[in-house]
Amino acid sequence: TQLLEQSPQFLSIQEGENLTVYCNSSSVFSSLQWYRQEPGEGPVLLVTVVTGGEVKKLKRLTFQFGDARKDSSLHITAAQPGDTGLYLCAGVVTNAGKSTFGDGTTLTVKP
Amino acid sequence: DTGVSQDPRHKITKRGQNVTFRCDPISEHNRLYWYRQTLGQGPEFLTYFQNEAQLEKSRLLSDRFSAERPKGSFSTLEIQRTEQGDSAMYLCASSPIYGTNEKLFFGSGTQLSVL
Repeated sequence: TQLLEQSPQFLSIQEGENLTVYCNSSSVFSSLQWYRQEPGEGPVLLVTVVTGGEVKKLKRLTFQFGDARKDSSLHITAAQPGDTGLYLCAGVVTNAGKSTFGDGTTLTVKP
Repeated sequence: DTGVSQDPRHKITKRGQNVTFRCDPISEHNRLYWYRQTLGQGPEFLTYFQNEAQLEKSRLLSDRFSAERPKGSFSTLEIQRTEQGDSAMYLCASSPIYGTNEKLFFGSGTQLSVL
């Protein structure tokens, strides 16, 4: 059973469109991270959210942590081809000591 | 650049052979993690160290896998008697201790192909 479910699994859009991807769980997380991974490379940390209801912005990316700290979303405004990649969410369950990853959303932005 | 370094980047081996991978973490980071990733999946936790102590090992991890972090610096991951199912990207990450506010800094990984 996957601890973190990400949806959609694949997303292909045109440059300039907006999109939202989701990360859901039945577990409560002390913190949740979003990473972006390119083929043949390791994931790169984008953001960490800690407080329920927290919203963080990183240029055109907006991250939200659910009030109950069980889910999160990533919204991208005016997507660009450079946003193409695998978006992974990862969470730390209280006292677990390690991050557990979802299977990611593969985003393709076409010029 | 003082990011996480992994060596080798690619390894091709025959079934039954032993392989060893090395990871050099960011120097001031206390925690070091090993993950495995296959195509279409997210990274799967294998084991982690705090300084030289191995604090947790995945229950899914075969006895053929062993990891060490002597002196709390670099780490090695050894796979004995490799099987085709071991083919994957092996990722190392390090992290400063922020309590539960985890931030992982990954290396570029070692891509293992077992023929």
